[in-house]
Amino acid sequence: DAKTTQPNSMESNEEEPVHLPCNHSTISGTDYIHWYRQLPSQGPEYVIHGLTSNVNNRMASLAIAEDRKSSTLILHRATLRDAAVYYCILRVATLTQGGSEKLVFGKGTKLTVNP
Amino acid sequence: NAGVMQNPRHLVRRRGQEARLRCSPVKGHSHVYWYRQLPEEGLKFMVYLQKENIIDESGMPKERFSAEFPKEGPSILRIQQVVRGDSAAYFCASSPTLGTVSGNEQYFGPGTRLTVT
Repeated sequence: DAKTTQPNSMESNEEEPVHLPCNHSTISGTDYIHWYRQLPSQGPEYVIHGLTSNVNNRMASLAIAEDRKSSTLILHRATLRDAAVYYCILRVATLTQGGSEKLVFGKGTKLTVNP
Repeated sequence: NAGVMQNPRHLVRRRGQEARLRCSPVKGHSHVYWYRQLPEEGLKFMVYLQKENIIDESGMPKERFSAEFPKEGPSILRIQQVVRGDSAAYFCASSPTLGTVSGNEQYFGPGTRLTVT
């Protein structure tokens, strides 16, 4: 999996938007951009993923740069429950059986949300 | 649908004992992954299994660790002769059948926290 770079930590205030950046300058054309988060003492949780176009779901939005070398996870209104480590991961979508589908986690960004 | 179930949630073993960690994937999912998270470190892939097959075990320590995902029943991660360095949180994840263009999100369980005394 291609390497991603994220800030070690970020801080936000409750009910404000949060923009979590991720650089992936070596991304290839078939790599999907996935975001997971891990709340304290819990397993990772899928957040969102995309390929080229911006994506929205109930949890967040994903803005992908036109050259795909960077992306930004957007939490529109941070809550205390959003305090977690956020991981940006590049994955190749395989259409054949038997390929390794492991996730390669980096250090992620630890998001602190202030009340 | 129930999510990924792992048990036990906490496991304490003395050095030299065996640890057995169980994982029941999301119903209908045929792909299981095990990850380990050492204290204050990130998650590391260990092994990827399909029913009755190990697909990728590149992250498994060469000795004492084994994994299986039988045709019936949960996936088992087995650690023989545990040592203090095995103390960690072990997470299981599952995903549906390959073949989609979505990249297949993985659904994680709550983890088993193994403490070796």
